[in-house]
Amino acid sequence: DAGVTQSPTHLIKTRGQQVTLRCSPKSGHDTVSWYQQALGQGPQFIFQYYEEEERQRGNFPDRFSGHQFPNYSSELNVNALLLGDSALYLCASSWGLVAPYEQYFGPGTRLTVT
Amino acid sequence: DAKTTQPNSMESNEEEPVHLPCNHSTISGTDYIHWYRQLPSQGPEYVIHGLTSNVNNRMASLAIAEDRKSSTLILHRATLRDAAVYYCILRAIIIQGAQKLVFGQGTRLTINP
Repeated sequence: DAGVTQSPTHLIKTRGQQVTLRCSPKSGHDTVSWYQQALGQGPQFIFQYYEEEERQRGNFPDRFSGHQFPNYSSELNVNALLLGDSALYLCASSWGLVAPYEQYFGPGTRLTVT
Repeated sequence: DAKTTQPNSMESNEEEPVHLPCNHSTISGTDYIHWYRQLPSQGPEYVIHGLTSNVNNRMASLAIAEDRKSSTLILHRATLRDAAVYYCILRAIIIQGAQKLVFGQGTRLTINP
């Protein structure tokens, strides 16, 4: 049973460019959350998708957007990249919204903005 | 979001028990206490969670104070593989049903051989 997978593993972009990160949830999971982790910090919640809708959003600007597909996979898009967007982007999947089930995290995508 | 307070770092020896404390004095009645850990170069990994009663699983035990204002994660016999950053998180069940994890700085646990 494959866990959460993310692609690409590493990415280097230039300021002002746009980037798309991809996530496939663990088998049987229907909810996907995205987190940003700056070096030396804990992960920060970006947003969560369930039933192809954004259900909750953290304190991130509109440059950060996402999408969930019918097969539950998800994309995170970041427009007009800033140097401060350099971070590890983590995807986590879980089942449903209400019960306090654990979230399973992928290995992350390391984004470097130059 | 209710906050948690953890020591920045702790150190222990291999094969000894480790007690990782967490204070959450503003916890509400519906907040679950979750612990995750993050090994080097990996995403966070679920360890354990509880609401009011102490909990045990194959990885660890969670001891919750009677007033729920503090909790302790117990690793019964630490191994080198347990060296990680441990996060204590209060997970609220919000009205819309969506749940998010609010990570703090965590405790960096070092295990000495």
